[in-house]
Amino acid sequence: EIVMTQSPATLSVSPGERATLSCRASQSVSSNLAWYQQKPGQAPRLLIYGASTRATGIPARFSGSGSGTEFTLTISSLQSEDFAVYYCQQYSNWKGAFGQGTKVEIK
Amino acid sequence: QVQLVESGGGVVQPGRSLRLSCAASGFTFSTYGMHWVRQAPGKGLEWVAVISYDGSNKYYADSVKGRFTISRDNFKNTLYLQMNSLRAEDTAVYYCAKGRVRYSDGRDYFDYWGQGTLVTVSS
Repeated sequence: EIVMTQSPATLSVSPGERATLSCRASQSVSSNLAWYQQKPGQAPRLLIYGASTRATGIPARFSGSGSGTEFTLTISSLQSEDFAVYYCQQYSNWKGAFGQGTKVEIK
Repeated sequence: QVQLVESGGGVVQPGRSLRLSCAASGFTFSTYGMHWVRQAPGKGLEWVAVISYDGSNKYYADSVKGRFTISRDNFKNTLYLQMNSLRAEDTAVYYCAKGRVRYSDGRDYFDYWGQGTLVTVSS
């Protein structure tokens, strides 16, 4: 079973600053990695797939990188609407495991 | 536009059963894998099960294997999750989610999600 570990659990950032979120897989998932954003009371929204491809309608301030076991989601300049919980998900095997999430909060 | 509408949630006693449904519209349902993902109150996302576009492949999280069954009706554009022998730890919001890749074997990510249906297992 592939285990996904995200860090940090909580990230305190001021609006306009850069946020860098990490996701590590317990074994290689190649580039089969997606990122989601979830706001309170809402369903998750797809941000990134294939480790680095932005989903339709996602602003360019969101970028993904990495392959194998180490991945990063970067939000270049945080806007007020970006404060949320972010999850990574591997889809290299059948059990599409999620990381435990990183909460991005206002500093 | 794509819509996924879950139903069937509610309060159920431990050991009992419940069936969730997810009505899909706005896309060719029969050509995409579909998933169930759950989220316990205040917790993160947990993938539960996947069914391939034609129903030939089904996979489950270890936590639900042997108790939950995923199925689909491609004529009714509906996804199901039959949940038996429910436990307190199954309490969660259950989301259905559409796979992104047409004709995927199920190893996929999710481009659309429903709003979820709450299942509470309590005596």
